[in-house]
Amino acid sequence: AQSVTQPDIHITVSEGASLELRCNYSYGATPYLFWYVQSPGQGLQLLLKYFSGDTLVQGIKGFEAEFKRSQSSFNLRKPSVHWSDAAEYFCAVVRRAGGTSYGKLTFGQGTILTVHP
Amino acid sequence: DTGVSQNPRHKITKRGQNVTFRCDPISEHNRLYWYRQTLGQGPEFLTYFQNEAQLEKSRLLSDRFSAERPKGSFSTLEIQRTEQGDSAMYLCASSLGRQAKGSGANVLTFGAGSRLTVL
Repeated sequence: AQSVTQPDIHITVSEGASLELRCNYSYGATPYLFWYVQSPGQGLQLLLKYFSGDTLVQGIKGFEAEFKRSQSSFNLRKPSVHWSDAAEYFCAVVRRAGGTSYGKLTFGQGTILTVHP
Repeated sequence: DTGVSQNPRHKITKRGQNVTFRCDPISEHNRLYWYRQTLGQGPEFLTYFQNEAQLEKSRLLSDRFSAERPKGSFSTLEIQRTEQGDSAMYLCASSLGRQAKGSGANVLTFGAGSRLTVL
């Protein structure tokens, strides 16, 4: 069965520092890949997605992610973290084949980001 | 469009009571999804609709759970005879499933969720 692993449950960084959140997936074939962010009391907001093409994808709020097929990874990065980035981040995958797979995302368990001033 | 709207945002109930959650998706979206998120976990797929048809239900969805989307617009998720294990955040999402290659159907817009606490 497909699975998504986010190895870091909690990460703390200082404001202005760089950030990398890890995501590894286990799948039969390369899936579609997503990163979502969830702030307290808010729904999940899509940061970026990878469907095909350039393996370095740009998202909102200055985030980017790099797909590495050989490592089955899709790590999220930001060069300089802002205090407002404190939230929980989820990596998610979905099968490419479509049909009844549409929208059936498999999520990792999330990484909580704390930002120190 | 104001996005995906869910009501109520919070519900506290006693074990054994029935609860119902409502989701209003983005108006032009034909697909609607329900997910459940327990503390410390990522969301898990429960069920989805294409228009008014419920096309799939997860094994997580016991017989006490029922979801409807009667006119292909809003959806309700009812939980009968609630149990403490039902305590979770119930998330609704919608997407537009008409793009030729289908990738767009996987771009979900989530609501803020309905948090259920069963005492």
